[in-house]
Amino acid sequence: QVTLRESGPALVKPTQTLTLTCTFSGFSLSTSGMCVSWIRQPPGKALEWLALIDWDDDKYYSTSLRTRLTISKDTSKNQVVLRMTNMDPVDTATYFCARRLAAVGHFDYWGQGILVTVSS
Amino acid sequence: NFMLTQPHSVSESPGKTVTISCTGGSGSVISNSVQWYQQRPGSAPTTVIYDENQRPSGVPDRFSGSIDSSSNSASLTISGLRTEDEADYYCQSYDSTDHWVFGGGTKLTVL
Repeated sequence: QVTLRESGPALVKPTQTLTLTCTFSGFSLSTSGMCVSWIRQPPGKALEWLALIDWDDDKYYSTSLRTRLTISKDTSKNQVVLRMTNMDPVDTATYFCARRLAAVGHFDYWGQGILVTVSS
Repeated sequence: NFMLTQPHSVSESPGKTVTISCTGGSGSVISNSVQWYQQRPGSAPTTVIYDENQRPSGVPDRFSGSIDSSSNSASLTISGLRTEDEADYYCQSYDSTDHWVFGGGTKLTVL
């Protein structure tokens, strides 16, 4: 059974760095073809893809946010970490992590999401 | 920038058929790797169509997808509408520069 769960702070101040952890089970990120991504959704707005890391440690970032994002993995802990620097109130959103298989086009399993509010 | 445009909202009656479009912007060519996600309020998205017209296990065949290259668009069609189909629907595709991109979402109302 594949599960993913996001964890991190619910509230961050402007200019701070956000660190989110995705802890997953039911698969290994060391298996060929496995990928984990971060996707966010501001309240009442659309989904926005942020970053993806694959089994080979290749990393992909949103063009508009790449200077602020860092994605990494700890295969032994079954975790993927996203860091986003210089947080702003417009970054207030629910942040999801999701699995993707390289051979299949979609994000097939998602975490429940974590709401992060940016406010002083 | 790779962009996908969806209608903000659509509505239809139970039992009817509705089609939601997803159009690639200027310079954004839709490939055959188009996914459709359903998102109910307060929940994470779930896939209803992947790779243009594939349904994950458990998704009824009332859901179907297609691509029209001539209009650079993809479509999600839901037939035999049910009240439980009421949700937000997002298309998603891939671009070599912008990678994974979502459309703006369409709110489906079944009334």
